[in-house]
Amino acid sequence: GESVGLHLPTLSVQEGDNSIINCAYSNSASDYFIWYKQESGKGPQFIIDIRSNMDKRQGQRVTVLLNKTVKHLSLQIAATQPGDSAVYFCAEIFSGGFKTIFGAGTRLFVKA
Amino acid sequence: DVKVTQSSRYLVKRTGEKVFLECVQDMDHENMFWYRQDPGLGLRLIYFSYDVKMKEKGDIPEGYSVSREKKERFSLILESASTNQTSMYLCASSFKVWEQFFGPGTRLTVL
Repeated sequence: GESVGLHLPTLSVQEGDNSIINCAYSNSASDYFIWYKQESGKGPQFIIDIRSNMDKRQGQRVTVLLNKTVKHLSLQIAATQPGDSAVYFCAEIFSGGFKTIFGAGTRLFVKA
Repeated sequence: DVKVTQSSRYLVKRTGEKVFLECVQDMDHENMFWYRQDPGLGLRLIYFSYDVKMKEKGDIPEGYSVSREKKERFSLILESASTNQTSMYLCASSFKVWEQFFGPGTRLTVL
């Protein structure tokens, strides 16, 4: 069935190191992928998106890579900071944007 | 900035009670959504609305209904709350369907 999954439920990194959060998806007919960040007690916040016809997109300290061959999406956070501690979700959007499937989330811990 | 507010952050109700969860957005967005979030399952879509008085079932609509009488307000209704509806409920709104802005969530406990 359709699913968006994550390789690791938790990730612990040292402050200043780079973080890589991975996501696997199963539906090939996707339009967009989005990464969301959810801090404790808050709703998810949009971080970055990537169209399915792209391989890479960069934002401020974040990079998303899309490998359609193996149906894999990753979020890279450069110089991870304590404020980056949160749960990160990938989301797959298809059917012209009217269907979104969210992954279960990866919790990122940043050690000072 | 888009602001999506939800009427309660925490709610405790008893089995069989009727529960109303309210969501208001201030950016004139056409699309609004209700999700529930459970550990290990991610966000699951309950209902969405793409216009006033319009509603569409999501993936798990059973046990829920919605109301959209005004563009800025989208209500989720649990007609008779059950313990398996204990969850975090998240409302979202969007102009483009895929770029959704979320509220802070309502943690509902049904005893």
